Amino acid sequence: QVQLQESGPGLVKPSQTLSLTCTVSGGSISSGGYYWSWIRQYPEKGLEWIGHIYYNGNSYYNPSLKSRVTISIETSKIQFSLQLSSVTAADTAVYHCARYHYDSSGYYFDHWGQGTLVTVSS
Amino acid sequence: DIQLTQSPSFLSASVGDRVTITCRASQGFGSYLAWYQQKPGKAPNLLIYAASTLQSGVPSRFSGSGSGTEFTLTISSLQPEDFATYYCQQLNNYPITFGQGTRLEIK
Repeated sequence: QVQLQESGPGLVKPSQTLSLTCTVSGGSISSGGYYWSWIRQYPEKGLEWIGHIYYNGNSYYNPSLKSRVTISIETSKIQFSLQLSSVTAADTAVYHCARYHYDSSGYYFDHWGQGTLVTVSS
Repeated sequence: DIQLTQSPSFLSASVGDRVTITCRASQGFGSYLAWYQQKPGKAPNLLIYAASTLQSGVPSRFSGSGSGTEFTLTISSLQPEDFATYYCQQLNNYPITFGQGTRLEIK
């Protein structure tokens, strides 16, 4: 059973860079048919897709965040990471990593990490 | 961006009730729509993909339908464990977007 686990600081100062890592267990991060994704959830619901990356490094980002986001992948470590620069209080959210199933049988997010709360505050 | 609007935003129902949640899109697309259930403190859990395909392990009381701009999630007979928040999601266009959620509570 594939499992994903987010890790990283829970508190980031305004204007700094938020950095999170997602470690995948129970499956390969190098196989085709999946993108490795970041999604955030604001207090009182609100889900926002941030972006995702394929094992070969191809990535897609939400245009609303594209200028500040970098997603990278380290297949040897079975990890992928999120960096979000120049953060403000509006970036305070629970950040989830997830696996995006993407092939002819369907498109969907089938495995999610529990999420990690990141608060932006001085 | 494709905007998804769910209705209702809040629903109060009883065990055994049949409930339907609607997801309307700002522009039409095919059937790349998914539904998720989320309970407090947990990650969203996939229920339905491709608008009407039940994810493995999901009870058959859940069903989905629709295409174009209107999609529905139906729970045929509510069980106590179904009280949660439900989200639709479109995966037809980038950026991938979600509805605002429907909170289902016990009457």
